[in-house]
Amino acid sequence: KAGVTQTPRYLIKTRGQQVTLSCSPISGHRSVSWYQQTPGQGLQFLFEYFSETQRNKGNFPGRFSGRQFSNSRSEMNVSTLELGDSTLYLCASSQGGGGTGPYKAEAFFGQGTRLTVV
Amino acid sequence: LAKTTQPISMDSYEGQEVNITCSHNNIATNDYITWYQQFPSQGPRFIIQGYKTKVTNEVASLFIPADRKSSTLSLPRVSLSDTAVYYCLVGQPPGYSSASKIIFGSGTRLSIRP
Repeated sequence: KAGVTQTPRYLIKTRGQQVTLSCSPISGHRSVSWYQQTPGQGLQFLFEYFSETQRNKGNFPGRFSGRQFSNSRSEMNVSTLELGDSTLYLCASSQGGGGTGPYKAEAFFGQGTRLTVV
Repeated sequence: LAKTTQPISMDSYEGQEVNITCSHNNIATNDYITWYQQFPSQGPRFIIQGYKTKVTNEVASLFIPADRKSSTLSLPRVSLSDTAVYYCLVGQPPGYSSASKIIFGSGTRLSIRP
């Protein structure tokens, strides 16, 4: 089956602009998580959407937002871009779970969108 | 939320077995242990996941002692293509539930030499 697709793969924007990144999860997966990866901070969790609702959020400023559509595709928006936003953004999809007790869920990552802010 | 500690880097040679240990002293009862592999400019790839004792799949084994305060990823007979960064995650797996607080550690940079 098709994997997680992130578009575009590369993007160049000007400081102060806004940008929208897209993530199409694996068919049947209802959870989409977003991550920022930088050389200094590593992989940092931005937020997670499940069934069109933001279910979890990391410690990022409000300039970073997202949404999920009824087909589980997700978009991440960054407003008022700063030079420091230049990095790799990854999304991951999983079936999503729920309930009690220890369960496991495998997350599949896309290849990422590399954003450059100039 | 369980914090993980891994070696920053490791070196080995082709054909050797490589063991990467991850410490997670504050692991919670419902936490799973998951390992990911990441190559440059690619997203992380799931390797293996376990809760206790030993788990084995086609690419690796995961050893978890009874107290679950550490885990060891074992890669048998590594090749040059196993050169990558390996991340240990402890907690509710990404996307599992509202309790999932996903924190990737610094990872272990594994270098395999001919």
